Amino acid sequence: AQTVTQSQPEMSVQEAETVTLSCTYDTSESDYYLFWYKQPPSRQMILVIRQEAYKQQNATENRFSVNFQKAAKSFSLKISDSQLGDAAMYFCAYRSSSLQGGSEKLVFGKGTKLTVNP
Amino acid sequence: KAGVTQTPRYLIKTRGQQVTLSCSPISGHRSVSWYQQTPGQGLQFLFEYFSETQRNKGNFPGRFSGRQFSNSRSEMNVSTLELGDSALYLCASSRGTGSVYEQYFGPGTRLTVT
Repeated sequence: AQTVTQSQPEMSVQEAETVTLSCTYDTSESDYYLFWYKQPPSRQMILVIRQEAYKQQNATENRFSVNFQKAAKSFSLKISDSQLGDAAMYFCAYRSSSLQGGSEKLVFGKGTKLTVNP
Repeated sequence: KAGVTQTPRYLIKTRGQQVTLSCSPISGHRSVSWYQQTPGQGLQFLFEYFSETQRNKGNFPGRFSGRQFSNSRSEMNVSTLELGDSALYLCASSRGTGSVYEQYFGPGTRLTVT
């Protein structure tokens, strides 16, 4: 079974600074997808960024980028120019590829609570 | 386009009762997944339905069940409620074809068991 570990329960960053959230995972599969989701307080979970394991290039979405190290099974999220609206719980998630039965099941880490200080 | 909706948003039940939660996916989405979120266990996968068939199931007791209707709306049922069932129940919908389509989450149903 796949597992996802987020070793930082809480992180804080100053507004406009950069912060990196860590995520490691364990799998025996070679093809899979990785995601970072954001859950603001009392608000809906939204997708921040995704990475296909077969792609060597790291995904980037505006101020959000990942450092995907497949061999090390590491998938960190970098938030640049942090804004107050970035404060939220961030979850790293794993999903098997469509070749593994087509299920949409996500395996989540325990989350990292990010605080942005003005 | 309307997002994923879940009803009710809040629910208080007593131990031993049963409860039914509803999830309406985004129009055109055929896959609905359910997750339980608690402070201790985090987000845990309950089950996934695709085209009215359960496609995957998590490691939860048989008291947790679900179904999906022909319009893709899904319900989950928890029978004989226990205090430990208190949680935020999230559903997520996607096209469900297996490609990397985004899963869209609903706002959740917060269940409190007393």
